Amino acid sequence: GQNIDQPTEMTATEGAIVQINCTYQTSGFNGLFWYQQHAGEAPTFLSYNVLDGLEEKGRFSSFLSRSKGYSYLLLKELQMKDSASYLCAVRVFSGGYNKLIFGAGTRLAVHP
Amino acid sequence: GAVVSQHPSRVICKSGTSVKIECRSLDFQATTMFWYRQFPKQSLMLMATSNEGSKATYEQGVEKDKFLINHASLTLSTLTVTSAHPEDSSFYICSARDQYVAKNIQYFGAGTRLSAL
Repeated sequence: GQNIDQPTEMTATEGAIVQINCTYQTSGFNGLFWYQQHAGEAPTFLSYNVLDGLEEKGRFSSFLSRSKGYSYLLLKELQMKDSASYLCAVRVFSGGYNKLIFGAGTRLAVHP
Repeated sequence: GAVVSQHPSRVICKSGTSVKIECRSLDFQATTMFWYRQFPKQSLMLMATSNEGSKATYEQGVEKDKFLINHASLTLSTLTVTSAHPEDSSFYICSARDQYVAKNIQYFGAGTRLSAL
């Protein structure tokens, strides 16, 4: 089966750095995505990793280790608006299609 | 990024009625669109993959006669929840991939919150 694990909740302070971990056990790995989702809204794309290493995009960075089945999302200089759920999703090839399998999400609360 | 429009954003219906949700890719063509369902404080669960010009592919446990999907053009897919009941109340989200640009990224619509009374 497909399994994606990430912490349920995290809290952090405005201006700080937070790292959200994601481990996965899937078949047909074809890339890993991070999305941000505010309550009641659709997910918005943050980052994509298909090769091992770090991808940096402004205040957000994402890391992937395929051999370890592990990724993390790093958020720097936290702002109050970063309070949201962060979804780790693995792209797998199944049933003839590429599809995204989502983790349960990590709810991040940023405090002043 | 690419824009995916979903309509309506919210619908309240009587139990037993059918509800149609539209998903449009506004500035790109999408041969494949995806329909997800999300219950409160849970993650997105893929319901089906919608393919332009052919039958949708449903995930295990999703009733195809209950959730009718039509993907008649490269920019429009519809999901019809037939005879909606309270247990169907959920947040339904569609997504699409731009087949020509940034193929690896799925863009999501704003979602439809369905409440069947």
